[in-house]
Amino acid sequence: DTAVSQTPKYLVTQMGNDKSIKCEQNLGHDTMYWYKQDSKKFLKIMFSYNNKELIINETVPNRFSPKSPDKAHLNLHINSLELGDSAVYFCASSQDGTSGSNEQFFGPGTRLTVL
Amino acid sequence: SQQGEEDPQALSIQEGENATMNCSYKTSINNLQWYRQNSGRGLVHLILIRSNEREKHSGRLRVTLDTSKKSSSLLITASRAADTASYFCATLSGNTPLVFGKGTRLSVIA
Repeated sequence: DTAVSQTPKYLVTQMGNDKSIKCEQNLGHDTMYWYKQDSKKFLKIMFSYNNKELIINETVPNRFSPKSPDKAHLNLHINSLELGDSAVYFCASSQDGTSGSNEQFFGPGTRLTVL
Repeated sequence: SQQGEEDPQALSIQEGENATMNCSYKTSINNLQWYRQNSGRGLVHLILIRSNEREKHSGRLRVTLDTSKKSSSLLITASRAADTASYFCATLSGNTPLVFGKGTRLSVIA
C-alpha cells in the first residue's frame, strides 16, 4: 500500500493556467507538507499543515495555496502558472509535526512543466 | 533560509569502498536527519540523530554529530551500486519545519 501518494505524476501546462496537485496519506499522520525541488535538486519547504496550524514559507507566492479537505489530504493549488514554477513538487507527512522528531514520509513527486 | 550544506556536492566511488558525506549547519538544532533520494523518486528517511547524541548506527550507515562544530557526517560502509542516490541532511530547529540541504550525489560504480 502506498503511504503517501500524489497525482498526477507529470503535469504539463501552459503559462497562465490554474492547476492542482493532489496528495493523500494513509498513515494517519497529523502533519502534511509541500516541498518544491528545483532543477539543482534544492528542496524548499512551501507549506506545513496540521489541523491546527498552517505554516507558510514567506517566500512562496500567494498564487500557491494549500487546501485540506480532511486530515489525510493536502492538495496544492497554483494559479496563473509561470515558467519559474516548473519543478518537482513533493508532498510529505509526519506523525508529529510540532517537534519534528519523527521522520517524514515523502510522496513520489509531481513533475510540473510550464510552457 | 537554507540551513544544511552537504559536502561534497558529488562523490564517485567503487563498489565496496566507504562513502563519507558531511553536513554543516548554522543554528542550534533539535535533531538532524539524513534522507536518500533515488533518481525520479521521493526522499526516504535513513536516520535521525538528536542534538544530545554523538553517534548512531543503522546497518551499514553511521552518523555522527558534532554540535560544537555544527556538523554531521554520514558514512556508508561497503557501498553497493544500489546506494547510488542523492543524500540530503535536514535540520530541525525549534518549531520550524525541517530545512534540507542541497544534497550530495553519490555514484557507486560496480
